Amino acid sequence: DTEVTQTPKHLVMGMTNKKSLKCEQHMGHRAMYWYKQKAKKPPELMFVYSYEKLSINESVPSRFSPECPNSSLLNLHLHALQPEDSALYLCASSQSAGTGEKLFFGSGTQLSVL
Amino acid sequence: AQSVTQLGSHVSVSEGALVLLRCNYSSSVPPYLFWYVQYPNQGLQLLLKYTSAATLVKGINGFEAEFKKSETSFHLTKPSAHMSDAAEYFCAVFSGGYNKLIFGAGTRLAVHP
Repeated sequence: DTEVTQTPKHLVMGMTNKKSLKCEQHMGHRAMYWYKQKAKKPPELMFVYSYEKLSINESVPSRFSPECPNSSLLNLHLHALQPEDSALYLCASSQSAGTGEKLFFGSGTQLSVL
Repeated sequence: AQSVTQLGSHVSVSEGALVLLRCNYSSSVPPYLFWYVQYPNQGLQLLLKYTSAATLVKGINGFEAEFKKSETSFHLTKPSAHMSDAAEYFCAVFSGGYNKLIFGAGTRLAVHP
């Protein structure tokens, strides 16, 4: 299994809603990532988990809350989002968080905030 | 800090023609360089990775890239374009100091009959 699976594929939410994005991998990877990608832009790193511990937070607003329950799962909890948070949210994993590791990406969740 | 610059946000080629997508890097140390492809409404797929083992790196789908230190370049090529190659291509460098992958702005490749 060489896939990173993200659910849901599409999500529409209001600014007062609470929702969660889910990411799963079964490659035995010990690093997992959340990226945000606006239309026609490159992905931007949000969070890095290494061995289930948060190792990088790229100054992301607190309305985004990551969680890594175990080495295979990564969640992104969303609360009180703004319309400008509408984007494609990509999850990725790698063998480790070391320099030069290949990242494997999921297909993403397309989020629309109304 | 490491960074990459992709020259040309849009490239259009005819089917069967050579594909050349340009990427220049800035790095004070030997870099780890990557090319990723993104098809519409999809995540990113790794095409190839430079690790200093060889300057010419072969990837998937017939793509290859050559690392040229003197030119600080890592251009992506494919001898003959297929319609299925139409996608967004991202050059990326691993920023060891920050332990993260930094992407270029991307180049949209269009292939016409």
